[in-house]
Amino acid sequence: EVQLVQSGAEVKKPGESLRISCKASGYSFTSYWFAWVRQMPGKGLECMGTIFPGDSDTRYSPSFEGQVTMSVDRSISTAYLQWSSLKASDTAIYFCARMSSGSFYKLDVWGPGTAVTVSS
Amino acid sequence: DIEMTQSPSSLSASVGDRFSITCRASQTIRNYLNWYQQKPGKAPKLLIYAASTLQSGVPSRFSGSGSGTDFTLTISSLQPEDFATYYCQQSYSSPYTFGQGTKLEIK
Repeated sequence: EVQLVQSGAEVKKPGESLRISCKASGYSFTSYWFAWVRQMPGKGLECMGTIFPGDSDTRYSPSFEGQVTMSVDRSISTAYLQWSSLKASDTAIYFCARMSSGSFYKLDVWGPGTAVTVSS
Repeated sequence: DIEMTQSPSSLSASVGDRFSITCRASQTIRNYLNWYQQKPGKAPKLLIYAASTLQSGVPSRFSGSGSGTDFTLTISSLQPEDFATYYCQQSYSSPYTFGQGTKLEIK
């Protein structure tokens, strides 16, 4: 079964660092792009960027460039999203999703989301 | 970035109704358009890709149409489990932007 398992909810203070994870199973991890998607409380979906585990090619959406870092560990089929200094405005649910292609990119498998709360 | 605009933002409907929402791109995206359904507290679910191709396992009451800049998601006869929020997403060029969502509520 193709599955993405995300790390658990986090509560952090402003200025702290954080890394959340997304572990893939049931398919070839290095063959599909990953996307990270943010959903702020009561709001819609925002694509933060994409990363290709095969060569770590990373594309950040302009709004998130310099704010987060995406990475992968191919040895354990896991993608990461990290912050060096959190802000209250980073409070959101963060989804990872597999980006299946063929001729058309689409997010066909999603993780359950990781809730991040940043509060003093 | 390509901007995606959905309308309406919210809608009330009854079980059995026909339901349609539209999604407009700020520039042509050919047919690189996906539709997702999200229920409260859950991850989104892919319904349709390439504007009109039904994802495996999605009921046939869902359909999509359009190309260029204007797209439509239609549910032919609403079922209780269809009340959710729907998002379009363009996959024509990175960043793969989403529409703001359309919340479908029970009347």
